[in-house]
Amino acid sequence: EPEVTQTPSHQVTQMGQEVILRCVPISNHLYFYWYRQILGQKVEFLVSFYNNEISEKSEIFDDQFSVERPDGSNFTLKIRSTKLEDSAMYFCASSVSESSYEQYFGPGTRLTVT
Amino acid sequence: DQQVKQNSPSLSVQEGRISILNCDYTNSMFDYFLWYKKYPAEGPTFLISISSIKDKNEDGRFTVFLNKSAKHLSLHIVPSQPGDSAVYFCAAGDKTSYDKVIFGPGTSLSVIP
Repeated sequence: EPEVTQTPSHQVTQMGQEVILRCVPISNHLYFYWYRQILGQKVEFLVSFYNNEISEKSEIFDDQFSVERPDGSNFTLKIRSTKLEDSAMYFCASSVSESSYEQYFGPGTRLTVT
Repeated sequence: DQQVKQNSPSLSVQEGRISILNCDYTNSMFDYFLWYKKYPAEGPTFLISISSIKDKNEDGRFTVFLNKSAKHLSLHIVPSQPGDSAVYFCAAGDKTSYDKVIFGPGTSLSVIP
């Protein structure tokens, strides 16, 4: 069964460093998303991406964040200058169409900023 | 900004009994609702959804009920199984913004054998 994959599973970085989190969405899906979940808190929407551009973003998704689909398969989230409060699980998701309520989530990347 | 609320952080149920997970929302613009299940170290998994034009949707052991006037929905699991033990997230969105799904804080369900 097709699934969303994410790498790495755990990333440790120092404050101020740049990190890139990678995702491979399901191949026939057209809509891509990033969410994060700070430990003990709820899953929060960050950004959605369609047709090579951001379609929606939350107030969390400020200038330090960017997303890219550099080739036909990968979807990346870059955090330019990490802060301690960026430590969280980051989930990538994809859906087949805009009207599909069902988003398929990857297993997540645990980002630890020290 | 708690547009989607799950007021019970945890719930314990005996195997074979019914599990009822509740969710309340404040935004009257929401017109579709979803339930996701999440195991530790995994991403959320879609369970079931309901559109605001319906008041019930059933899929096997899972049934979601929607009461629009009360801005309340619930997920019923019958019969509950130990493998159902997980965190359950209620989520909501509106058709003007399909992309942006708002999650509740989750309810941790333990099904006791």
